Amino acid sequence: GAVVSQHPSRVICKSGTSVKIECRSLDFQATTMFWYRQFPKQSLMLMATSNEGSKATYEQGVEKDKFLINHASLTLSTLTVTSAHPEDSSFYICSLQQNYGYTFGSGTRLTVV
Amino acid sequence: KNEVEQSPQNLTAQEGEFITINCSYSVGISALHWLQQHPGGGIVSLFMLSSGKKKHGRLIATINIQEKHSSLHITASHPRDSAVYICAVSTKTSYDKVIFGPGTSLSVIP
Repeated sequence: GAVVSQHPSRVICKSGTSVKIECRSLDFQATTMFWYRQFPKQSLMLMATSNEGSKATYEQGVEKDKFLINHASLTLSTLTVTSAHPEDSSFYICSLQQNYGYTFGSGTRLTVV
Repeated sequence: KNEVEQSPQNLTAQEGEFITINCSYSVGISALHWLQQHPGGGIVSLFMLSSGKKKHGRLIATINIQEKHSSLHITASHPRDSAVYICAVSTKTSYDKVIFGPGTSLSVIP
């Protein structure tokens, strides 16, 4: 199956700065990738669907200007958390979909201080 | 009421026990997924089901479309099975739209 590499695995940043999270599909050309967020003790929530070569589709309540998604190639999607605030501290994870299910990245734990 | 529910919320088992985790959903689906999330956060896709039953090693997943219910069974449980097990559904309205259940936290003690 596909291998998805997500980087960084952990990041601590200061309030007001921006953080970029990368999600790479190592052996599968992904026209679509998904970004999720998970707060402690809560389930995964879909934030947006990343589409190669076009604009991402954001879920209701997710600020597109705050969570910038770029999917410039079939193997790379990035999520940039702009002007991060402590309430953005969360676990972010990407995935891609294949015929037999989903393959997930390893996740990024973001802490904004 | 959540669209995807799981039971139990937490489960502690002795090594070797047979374990069942249940998932029920209230929306039309095109597929149901069972995922495993380890303490560090990494997620592994275990099964994708649209009907019947699938088996992989000690894991068995079943789905009853009419009853909108799925079960994940673990035979001969082992401490390394300790993780959060998440049921998720791909909705019929959009195959890309996935709704996740709240997860079942499993702890298998030696």
